[in-house]
Amino acid sequence: DVVMTQSPLSLPVTLGQPASISCRSSQSLVYSDGNTYLNWFQQRPGQVPRRLIYKVSNRDSGVPDRFSGSGSGTDFTLKISRVEAEDVGVYYCMQGTQWPWTFGQGTKVEIK
Amino acid sequence: EVQLVESGGGLIQPGGSLRLSCAASGFTVSTNYMAWIRQAPGKGLEWVSTLYSGGSTYYADSVKGRFTISRDNSKNTLFLQMNSLRADDTAVYYCVRGIRGVTNDWGQGTLVTVSS
Repeated sequence: DVVMTQSPLSLPVTLGQPASISCRSSQSLVYSDGNTYLNWFQQRPGQVPRRLIYKVSNRDSGVPDRFSGSGSGTDFTLKISRVEAEDVGVYYCMQGTQWPWTFGQGTKVEIK
Repeated sequence: EVQLVESGGGLIQPGGSLRLSCAASGFTVSTNYMAWIRQAPGKGLEWVSTLYSGGSTYYADSVKGRFTISRDNSKNTLFLQMNSLRADDTAVYYCVRGIRGVTNDWGQGTLVTVSS
């Protein structure tokens, strides 16, 4: 199975400051069709998960442009350019390239 | 508007069976790939199963042989038949449309509790 390793697991941030979450996969996530199926999800407290980013860097509809995804191969990053209070929650990376699909452990973002 | 409404969760004894349903509206289940993803209390997300439009199915090793994903095209509904339930199957089960591509929608989830 592809192991997804996120860091850090806890991220205290100051409002208005940038934040960055790393996600590393144990194998390349490049699929045979040339796409890299790496997603990022946000789960606010008590809410259903919501996808933010698909295929490494594509923002979902309605996602603020302060969220961005980057990376390639086995190394990926989610960046928040300026953290807002509504960004508090747990963030997960997920690979959909190889079966079984696997998630990272989650990174808890909280305000300092 | 796309909606996914799960039902069928509840309290069940170890070894028992449950069938989860996911009623979809705003799109056609049979022309999309659908998945079940679960989240144990206080834990992270775990992919459970996927059903492709062509009928191919995939399962996590932890549920293979015990769970079956299916759909009823006439009812536009996705199912998850869960047999031989164990305590570690306790989780909120989410019905999900897409994940890899442009579209991705989640239901509100249904809680399954396996306990004696």
